[in-house]
This record gives sequence, structure tokens and C-alpha cells, in this order.
Amino acid sequence: DVKVTQSSRYLVKRTGEKVFLECVQDMDHENMFWYRQDPGLGLRLIYFSYDVKMKEKGDIPEGYSVSREKKERFSLILESASTNQTSMYLCASSPWPETSGGAGQETQYFGPGTRLLVL
Amino acid sequence: GDSVTQMEGPVTLSEEAFLTINCTYTATGYPSLFWYVQYPGEGLQLLLKATKADDKGSNKGFEATYRKETTSFHLEKGSVQVSDSAVYFCALIPRMDSSYKLIFGSGTRLLVRP
Repeated sequence: DVKVTQSSRYLVKRTGEKVFLECVQDMDHENMFWYRQDPGLGLRLIYFSYDVKMKEKGDIPEGYSVSREKKERFSLILESASTNQTSMYLCASSPWPETSGGAGQETQYFGPGTRLLVL
Repeated sequence: GDSVTQMEGPVTLSEEAFLTINCTYTATGYPSLFWYVQYPGEGLQLLLKATKADDKGSNKGFEATYRKETTSFHLEKGSVQVSDSAVYFCALIPRMDSSYKLIFGSGTRLLVRP
């Protein structure tokens, strides 16, 4: 079974702190994603990475950065946490299309989420 | 741009009732369509998917048919159980987009009462 793990289930931080959220997957997937989930808004993509050291902005990258130094690990960084970054953060991974039946058929595998509260 | 619209919840049903959760989409080209489910306290997991028009995805008694003419992918189940209580997300991957990003609807919460 694919396993995506996130470093914390719950975090409480103070405004202005630097926050690191870690995600690890064990299936040798090329693609990794960070989303935030807010009530009524569904999931919104923050950043994604399709290879080591490669990253692309998603729909809401402001206030966030990412790091992918190893294939299995994708980190989300809040440089200076703010109260509007209080949210549920979900990490996901997926294989290249060639290994999953062709383009567009990829399944994303999600971690359990980190609920972050910024005070 | 590409988007997914789901019916607002919560949807509250009695056990063994019939379930429909509506989902419509806007996309250029021919997207792949997905339903993901999030059980309480957990991350999302794939429920079913369909990659071309008229395909039917099915899993755990749930079904959805890719309807290109109505740009819809409604989720149905003939007899729900209490254990089906969860949040259901409709999503798409635009075929024209090489980045394979999922675009999600806002989610529909389902509550099934015994």
C-alpha cells in the first residue's frame, strides 16, 4: 500500500514564527503536492513538485515556499506564519502517467493532514 | 478556467436510502474525472474515476458516469450505510494541462443516520 505520512497531525504556532511541515512518501512517486483545505473552499493547491529540486507554484503560493531535496520528501515552509494561514494542510503524491495507464489517469495519494493553528 | 461545482451539503439521509451527489465541471478538452472521499480525521482517498466520455467508475457500491453532453459526473449509491458518512469531493485533471494538478470542488458532507 502507498503510504504518505505527515510529520504532525496538529500544530500550534505563533504569528511570525517559521513553520515547517514535512511529508514523506514511500512509493517512489515523482509528483508531490501541498494543498490547504478550508471549509466551503475545498482543496486549493499551494505548490507541487515533479522531480527532485523542481517546484511549481499552484493557485495560492503567497506566503509559502517548498523544498524537495530528496525524491521521497517534500517540505512546506511558512516563512512568517500569519493567522490567515490557520488551516488543514494535506500532502499528496502521484506517479508519472506512464506508470499509471496514461496521462490524466493518475491517482493522488494523500497523507492524513496537519491541522495548523496560528495564534 | 477549469472548475468543478458540487451541490452544497450537508446531505442527511437515513440508512439504506438512495444517494445522489451532483457534480458538474467546466474544462477545455476532455478531462479525467474523480471522486475522492474523506472520512473523519483522515486524508482523502480515491473512491472512483473515469477517463473518457460514457465511462462508469464504480467502487464500494458507489457509481458515477462521465457525461460529456451535460458535463456532469454525479455520484450515486443505491443504499447508504452509516459508515458512508464522510465528505465527498469531485475533482478533475485537465487533459490539456501537463502538470496533472487536481482541481477540486468544494466538497459535500454526507451524514447517514441509523
